[in-house]
Amino acid sequence: LAKTTQPISMDSYEGQEVNITCSHNNIATNDYITWYQQFPSQGPRFIIQGYKTKVTNEVASLFIPADRKSSTLSLPRVSLSDTAVYYCLVRGNLIFGKGTKLSVKP
Amino acid sequence: EAGVTQFPSHSVIEKGQTVTLRCDPISGHDNLYWYRRVMGKEIKFLLHFVKESKQDESGMPNNRFLAERTGGTYSTLKVQPAELEDSGVYFCASSPGQGVSSYEQYFGPGTRLTVT
Repeated sequence: LAKTTQPISMDSYEGQEVNITCSHNNIATNDYITWYQQFPSQGPRFIIQGYKTKVTNEVASLFIPADRKSSTLSLPRVSLSDTAVYYCLVRGNLIFGKGTKLSVKP
Repeated sequence: EAGVTQFPSHSVIEKGQTVTLRCDPISGHDNLYWYRRVMGKEIKFLLHFVKESKQDESGMPNNRFLAERTGGTYSTLKVQPAELEDSGVYFCASSPGQGVSSYEQYFGPGTRLTVT
């Protein structure tokens, strides 16, 4: 099963772009990469998903290099409400891991 | 469109008692998942239904846990008898169809179970 590794925490300021990188060295050929966001006392919320290159939606962008051994979630111009835990998952397992706790400061 | 709902939001029971958690997925979603997070730990997968069938129950901790999804609609997760280590937050999620679209899971707010 593909294991993911993310930074435990990150700090940012309002209006900045935040990039969270996830390593998944053992990703399988058929695996997609999915990112979730979780606020305290809530269930995780789907943000974005991709297989290769770049995917963009109204919330974030996901960059995946050619070897697919890592991926980067990019949050443009974060606000205080983006303070949350962000999880990277590789399809083929449903393991959330510890996630990255993002703290956005004013 | 209504999201995934879970009932109850919080349950406090004594060790040895039985508790049943309920999850109503988004209408039309064939896939239904149960997860739990025990205190200070990561969210762990428990099992996955496709309609009424158990697709993967590899995460179920032991035979004190029984999940059902009769008719392929709502699901229940019964813990009998409950132990102290069962305390935590139980999440339910659903996703549509098959293939890539099934990877986008919609989570409920969770049920916080406290076993005393």
